[in-house]
Amino acid sequence: AQSVTQLDSQVPVFEEAPVELRCNYSSSVSVYLFWYVQYPNQGLQLLLKYLSGSTLVKGINGFEAEFNKSQTSFHLRKPSVHISDTAEYFCAVSDDDYKLSFGAGTTVTVRA
Amino acid sequence: ETGVTQTPRHLVMGMTNKKSLKCEQHLGHNAMYWYKQSAKKPLELMFVYSLEERVENNSVPSRFSPECPNSSHLFLHLHTLQPEDSALYLCASSKTSGGTETQYFGPGTRLLVL
Repeated sequence: AQSVTQLDSQVPVFEEAPVELRCNYSSSVSVYLFWYVQYPNQGLQLLLKYLSGSTLVKGINGFEAEFNKSQTSFHLRKPSVHISDTAEYFCAVSDDDYKLSFGAGTTVTVRA
Repeated sequence: ETGVTQTPRHLVMGMTNKKSLKCEQHLGHNAMYWYKQSAKKPLELMFVYSLEERVENNSVPSRFSPECPNSSHLFLHLHTLQPEDSALYLCASSKTSGGTETQYFGPGTRLLVL
């Protein structure tokens, strides 16, 4: 069974500053890794996913994440955030079937 | 309409009521999901349908009853709920039920049980 730990429940950040959201997972098999974002009053949407190949994955809205197998991590980064990046971010892991295991989420609040 | 839609967006019900949540996807997907989202907790997978057959019933109480009449529609029938069932209920769909697939989420139904 997989599990996901998001190490920060809240991350306040100033506009145009960089941000990193940390995610660690545990799994006994090969995994697929995802980051989803949930804007206020909306459902989740995919930011990026790692399936195989290059460990650096680029997603939408300038986000990227790096898969580190030895540290079982998949941290999300953005070099310069905007007010519109204020949202909740979820890391998730799956293996060969449909069961996505989600972390508890990280709330990012961007201040001017 | 495009994407995944859910109705109603908000619902208040008493513990003796019966209500239904509706989800519709316009993406031509073959798998559909119900999740429960409670504050500061990971999303909980409740039910999964693949090609209109239920493939997961994740130890959900029988007061929640899903229905998938076709690949585009998914319902969650609710009866004799408890206050702890108050949450955001999210519907999602994906092309197939494989682990590499992106799931597309609706905006959710915010449920309050009094």
